[in-house]
Amino acid sequence: DTEVTQTPKHLVMGMTNKKSLKCEQHMGHRAMYWYKQKAKKPPELMFVYSYEKLSINESVPSRFSPECPNSSLLNLHLHALQPEDSALYLCASSQGPPPSYEQYFGPGTRLTVT
Amino acid sequence: GQQLNQSPQSMFIQEGEDVSMNCTSSSIFNTWLWYKQDPGEGPVLLIALYKAGELTSNGRLTAQFGITRKDSFLNISASIPSDVGIYFCAGPLTSGTYKYIFGTGTRLKVLA
Repeated sequence: DTEVTQTPKHLVMGMTNKKSLKCEQHMGHRAMYWYKQKAKKPPELMFVYSYEKLSINESVPSRFSPECPNSSLLNLHLHALQPEDSALYLCASSQGPPPSYEQYFGPGTRLTVT
Repeated sequence: GQQLNQSPQSMFIQEGEDVSMNCTSSSIFNTWLWYKQDPGEGPVLLIALYKAGELTSNGRLTAQFGITRKDSFLNISASIPSDVGIYFCAGPLTSGTYKYIFGTGTRLKVLA
């Protein structure tokens, strides 16, 4: 089973709202990732958690706040977003670091900021 | 910055035709991953390559890890309509880190 689940599937929020995206995997993977993908572009790495600790933050604005409550869950808290933050947000997981491990993606959350 | 370039950018093919695409880098990679993404969905891993010269198949898909370690190739044989989508190559920017980068993508359109 290589399933990564994400909720919600779609989210519309105003610029003053606070919302959260959720991601879950039950593959025993120890690394979890958040990516942002704009239309017709490749995914861009935002954050990486390794063994529940933040390992990489790709200079993401503080209005995006990641959280890893346990080894199976990953959240992305959103606050005071801008319309240009509208995108497909993808969660992924891998058993460990490259080069030896494959990365699996969830179906994504389509976020629209109004 | 580091970039993976995919070629062609897009292609139309007839159902039943074979398809070839490639991914090139200016620096060496130790892992190549090939993904397919349907509109509005997450990328699905097709093939993973770990060794220079390696040739790996997954059904009608065959991928190769270039011997220079700066490129990789994906072939699809006897294409069918459900092969439509965007194909991305990806790899870790630096071995041992979690920092993956993705190629620019090849958009495949199959004419029935």
